[in-house]
Amino acid sequence: QSALTQPRSVSGSPGQSVTISCTGTSSDVGGHDSVSWYQHHPGKAPKLMISDVNKRPSGVPDRFFGSKSANTASLTISGLQADDEADYYCCSYAGTYTVLFGGGTKLTV
Amino acid sequence: EVQLVESGGGLVQPGLRLSCAGSGFRFNDYAMHWVRQGPGKGLEWVASISWNGGHVAYADSVKGRFTISRDNAENSLYLQMNSLRPEDSAFYHCAKDTQTYSSGAFDYWGQGTLVTVSS
Repeated sequence: QSALTQPRSVSGSPGQSVTISCTGTSSDVGGHDSVSWYQHHPGKAPKLMISDVNKRPSGVPDRFFGSKSANTASLTISGLQADDEADYYCCSYAGTYTVLFGGGTKLTV
Repeated sequence: EVQLVESGGGLVQPGLRLSCAGSGFRFNDYAMHWVRQGPGKGLEWVASISWNGGHVAYADSVKGRFTISRDNAENSLYLQMNSLRPEDSAFYHCAKDTQTYSSGAFDYWGQGTLVTVSS
């Protein structure tokens, strides 16, 4: 069980777009359409932003877009806003009821 | 309103049992998980349990030491933690899955309970 690989940090200016990658293996990201993304502001509970690769829960703005190609999933945030500044984690089902998180990416706006 | 409230954290005891009380949803319809975050570290999935407790799974880092369980009659989730190590020090969050069986999508999280293990 190795953590999924995310960049440590990304940055963008207000109004711009950024993409955060999440690389796994054929046993996790590549093998299941069960990739989710979480936004985590320090001191708060993580918030589900994307499930099942590209599904947005109710209330999540359509500026957040999830995708996947082979063993790499991506989260694209367009029209960056100051409040988007947070840590972002990818997560994948990894078979036999196990789950893996990525190491997290700090987004600076 | 969905609420998940953890309790039971603190300074390590020979065995520590965390609890999570769920409300505002049909507890026995969903898989549940424990996720932890150590100081200065990222989120780490710890364990999962299916809606009826029939399927459980653990991270390699805790396998053989931690046991996840649930009591659907009490809307409660538990984590029995034995043979604790300093690297187990973390905030432990319970999280609700969106599915009946573990899927890795957690739509509600508790605020967490702090476990501290001194060396």
